[in-house]
Amino acid sequence: EAEVAQSPRYKITEKSQAVAFWCDPISGHATLYWYRQILGQGPELLVQFQDESVVDDSQLPKDRFSAERLKGVDSTLKIQPAELGDSAMYLCASSPRWLAGETDTQYFGPGTRLTVL
Amino acid sequence: GDSVTQMEGPVTLSEEAFLTINCTYTATGYPSLFWYVQYPGEGLQLLLKATKADDKGSNKGFEATYRKETTSFHLEKGSVQVSDSAVYFCALTDSSASKIIFGSGTRLSIRP
Repeated sequence: EAEVAQSPRYKITEKSQAVAFWCDPISGHATLYWYRQILGQGPELLVQFQDESVVDDSQLPKDRFSAERLKGVDSTLKIQPAELGDSAMYLCASSPRWLAGETDTQYFGPGTRLTVL
Repeated sequence: GDSVTQMEGPVTLSEEAFLTINCTYTATGYPSLFWYVQYPGEGLQLLLKATKADDKGSNKGFEATYRKETTSFHLEKGSVQVSDSAVYFCALTDSSASKIIFGSGTRLSIRP
């Protein structure tokens, strides 16, 4: 069964350093999502891509976070500089295609757990 | 804005007990409703969904009915197993149906 791949699974960094996370969605899925899940809370959407275009990045802290999906396939989420409050699980999800007014099933990867010291 | 409230955990039950996890929502439109499950060390998996009032979603013995009059989507299972131990998230589509909003999750632990 096809799965969403993420790497690394765990990342420990010091504050003010740069970190990057990678996501490879299920083949053929046009829509890709990055979520942040703080311990004990539900996931919160950071950014949504449709192919290579950003559909929603309203909750992305753009002063330090950036995301790209250059060829409309895999994606990278970067934090620079990392802060203590960025410690969380970063989840990637994909779905076949997002249409306005519809929400398709999202398939989640295993996540990257980030610890900022 | 749209939101989801679910019962706080952890919920601890014995094997074969009846399970209910409460979920209520606030929404301006007619959202789709979901239950996701997260097993230890894994990402979220869609457990079931309902797209309109009175719909019942079901999967793996779990059920939830979309109740518009009480704005609820409670998760139930008649006989839980140790393998059901996980964190369960109730969720809905936002008013534009462009994204999913998750509740804070309920941790379920089943004793043998």
